[in-house]
Amino acid sequence: DTGVSQNPRHKITKRGQNVTFRCDPISEHNRLYWYRQTLGQGPEFLTYFQNEAQLEKSRLLSDRFSAERPKGSFSTLEIQRTEQGDSAMYLCASSREGNTIYFGEGSWLTVV
Amino acid sequence: AQKITQTQPGMFVQEKEAVTLDCTYDTSDPSYGLFWYKQPSSGEMIFLIYQGSYDQQNATEGRYSLNFQKARKSANLVISASQLGDSAMYFCAMRGVAANDYKLSFGAGTTVTVRA
Repeated sequence: DTGVSQNPRHKITKRGQNVTFRCDPISEHNRLYWYRQTLGQGPEFLTYFQNEAQLEKSRLLSDRFSAERPKGSFSTLEIQRTEQGDSAMYLCASSREGNTIYFGEGSWLTVV
Repeated sequence: AQKITQTQPGMFVQEKEAVTLDCTYDTSDPSYGLFWYKQPSSGEMIFLIYQGSYDQQNATEGRYSLNFQKARKSANLVISASQLGDSAMYFCAMRGVAANDYKLSFGAGTTVTVRA
């Protein structure tokens, strides 16, 4: 049983460029989450999918952010027109219903 | 709303000794779950241990045990026989247990450094 997989693990991009992160959850996990973590802080909730339906988006997620989970399998998180304040680690997690949430290794974003 | 407080930003512990990481919480949910995660420098959040609010006994998982005091709203993590590989950031988190509860709320974390 493989864990949550995220790629790329590291991304350096210039301000104004678009970036996309991919998350492959644990097989048969119907719930998928995205969190953002900045240095020295705990993760903050961004968005949640149950199967393919995006059920909640945090106010942290501006209009430049979009997440999808086509067919209820993998998910993508796209950030358009990146800003320096977007520099953070983006963590994906999955769970089966209300059970324990398992996280991936995260995708580090640096906007220069 | 749920709030997690971890007041220890950093701790040092000697190898083979035990260390206790503090976590207090606040919630209006009648039922909830408390989690501890370990985050090494690589970034992955590793699930360690879970305590349900109505569990009669404190949770244990290998060298990890959770000192749950419901009246005090605290859920401290105890790591026994510390190893060098335990050096990491540790996060306390909580979530309601209703069907539509899915968000984890995290504390700010505690950095543990194990000395040889």
